[in-house]
Amino acid sequence: QQQVKQSPQSLIVQKGGISIINCAYENTAFDYFPWYQQFPGKGPALLIAIRPDVSEKKEGRFTISFNKSAKQFSLHIMDSQPGDSATYFCAASPPWGKLIFGQGTELSVKP
Amino acid sequence: EPEVTQTPSHQVTQMGQEVILRCVPISNHLYFYWYRQILGQKVEFLVSFYNNEISEKSEIFDDQFSVERPDGSNFTLKIRSTKLEDSAMYFCASSEQGTGNTIYFGEGSWLTVV
Repeated sequence: QQQVKQSPQSLIVQKGGISIINCAYENTAFDYFPWYQQFPGKGPALLIAIRPDVSEKKEGRFTISFNKSAKQFSLHIMDSQPGDSATYFCAASPPWGKLIFGQGTELSVKP
Repeated sequence: EPEVTQTPSHQVTQMGQEVILRCVPISNHLYFYWYRQILGQKVEFLVSFYNNEISEKSEIFDDQFSVERPDGSNFTLKIRSTKLEDSAMYFCASSEQGTGNTIYFGEGSWLTVV
């Protein structure tokens, strides 16, 4: 019940395309859903986050879609660029609880 | 922009040796964390620390591990007797408020146990 399942494991997208990464959770107590971006040899960096009181949040080319009834959320990267090539982790946490990460998606954007 | 800093960036140690990983969290943050990432795997929670005590720990964080905030700026993770399976990237993180708010990660300390 504490798991966050992420898919796909890897993703190849052409420059200018849309990258979509999906996550699912089981624990209905989760109330914070961030996405982290990680470049090789670096720590995870917060990209965007959402709470369950909204269904969508957009920041620049990055959008989180959240479906509370399905217990799913996804990251959409519009106009994907080679510089977006990184590993993306979804995560979730309950109030005052630990942040639980998904397995990660290795995104490669081809020029 | 304020950042979490970690030292060393890479440490090689022999099995059975003690290791201390050091972190300087962002200065006005009150909550501190250690996570680890085995090569190619997901980021795993180890421990959270607030008000000079552990607030939550995972099953990974057994008696071999300890954390300490020895002064007003440093936050350390000690592994008392390292095992081969402790080889991983260890990330320190901090947040101004508890989980549910932005957690900032350091660049990690890569530990290799031989």
